[in-house]
Amino acid sequence: AQSVTQLGSHVSVSEGALVLLRCNYSSSVPPYLFWYVQYPNQGLQLLLKYTSAATLVKGINGFEAEFKKSETSFHLTKPSAHMSDAAEYFCAVTMNYGGATNKLIFGTGTLLAVQP
Amino acid sequence: DTGVSQDPRHKITKRGQNVTFRCDPISEHNRLYWYRQTLGQGPEFLTYFQNEAQLEKSRLLSDRFSAERPKGSFSTLEIQRTEQGDSAMYLCASSPRPGTGSADTQYFGPGTRLTVL
Repeated sequence: AQSVTQLGSHVSVSEGALVLLRCNYSSSVPPYLFWYVQYPNQGLQLLLKYTSAATLVKGINGFEAEFKKSETSFHLTKPSAHMSDAAEYFCAVTMNYGGATNKLIFGTGTLLAVQP
Repeated sequence: DTGVSQDPRHKITKRGQNVTFRCDPISEHNRLYWYRQTLGQGPEFLTYFQNEAQLEKSRLLSDRFSAERPKGSFSTLEIQRTEQGDSAMYLCASSPRPGTGSADTQYFGPGTRLTVL
């Protein structure tokens, strides 16, 4: 069975500060890992994904994440927060079906607040 | 690409009524997923179609829920005899067939927010 744990349901940072959102996963097979962002009353937008290529993944809006198998982690970072980054962030895992996805298993989300 | 679209965006209904939601996936995406998201939670998988075949259903999908994708294009999700516990955001996602460049990614629509009074 697969699962995702996001530590910290609420994270608050100052504008210009480092953003670090934590995600740990559990999977008995090689995982595919994703970070999605959700703005209020909207669907989910893909930020970045790890699909067994490079372990350091760069995404949109200056975000990046590093896959660490030994720590079963896939933390999301951004060097300098912007007000527009305020949103809810979800980490998700699915199994590697040889290039195709199946159902995503999501964490409970982290709400990021950015203070001026 | 026009993206995944969902209709309606909002639905308010009274307990006991039936509701139906529609999802139009990205053109030529052969796989389609439904998820449910309640307040403060991440989305939870409901069901999955490959073309017109429904290949997986979650235990969350009680017998009051039914989903179809008759021609392998748009999909509908129907909830019969709605209950207050059905209030949630219903999200649809699609992904292209294996072998294409982004087959490993699900693209989400804006969701349908259901409120059951």
